[in-house]
Amino acid sequence: GAGVSQTPSNKVTEKGKYVELRCDPISGHTALYWYRQSLGQGPEFLIYFQGTGAADDSGLPNDRFFAVRPEGSVSTLKIQRTERGDSAVYLCASSLTFVDSDTQYFGPGTRLTVL
Amino acid sequence: AQKITQTQPGMFVQEKEAVTLDCTYDTSDPSYGLFWYKQPSSGEMIFLIYQGSYDQQNATEGRYSLNFQKARKSANLVISASQLGDSAMYFCAMREGRNYGGSQGNLIFGKGTKLSVKP
Repeated sequence: GAGVSQTPSNKVTEKGKYVELRCDPISGHTALYWYRQSLGQGPEFLIYFQGTGAADDSGLPNDRFFAVRPEGSVSTLKIQRTERGDSAVYLCASSLTFVDSDTQYFGPGTRLTVL
Repeated sequence: AQKITQTQPGMFVQEKEAVTLDCTYDTSDPSYGLFWYKQPSSGEMIFLIYQGSYDQQNATEGRYSLNFQKARKSANLVISASQLGDSAMYFCAMREGRNYGGSQGNLIFGKGTKLSVKP
């Protein structure tokens, strides 16, 4: 079946602009995660959804970052007033449930470049 | 303190030989999970293998096995019979239980090891 998909694959924007990154999880997966990966680093957790609600948003760096999952499927990560330091690859993952042993399956990522 | 430590920034291995990628972890949670992911140059994270803290046997998946030494808090990945397509970044990750570190299921990743397979 289809894996996790993310759009766009690349996004170039100017400092101060607003961007939206979209994630479409594997069908039927109830848990959805957003991570950010900077060059040469491992992914870092941003936010995690169980169904429609954000179960843990402790990784969001500041209030410019916000994410929604209104119908419990597709999620959108929103970044306001982008800064050059926001440049990174944004990864989305989903898992069947939120049981600790459940594997998280990742999408191809969105490469965000803030000029 | 680092929760996941991968001490080998880069490794080389000859095609068809075995290679071990090191991972040590730090947690006081008795219930945790350990994962290994592969990230080729294309960027997608590919799940390889999982080991639960209560699992008695070392996990195996095809050419991948996890050398789990609980007392030493290490979870090394062993790749047997290396292939050219194994060249990639490899990440070790841990998931702690909900009452430790505030985790609700997110993965904590190491910095990765870049594996290069030589023909």
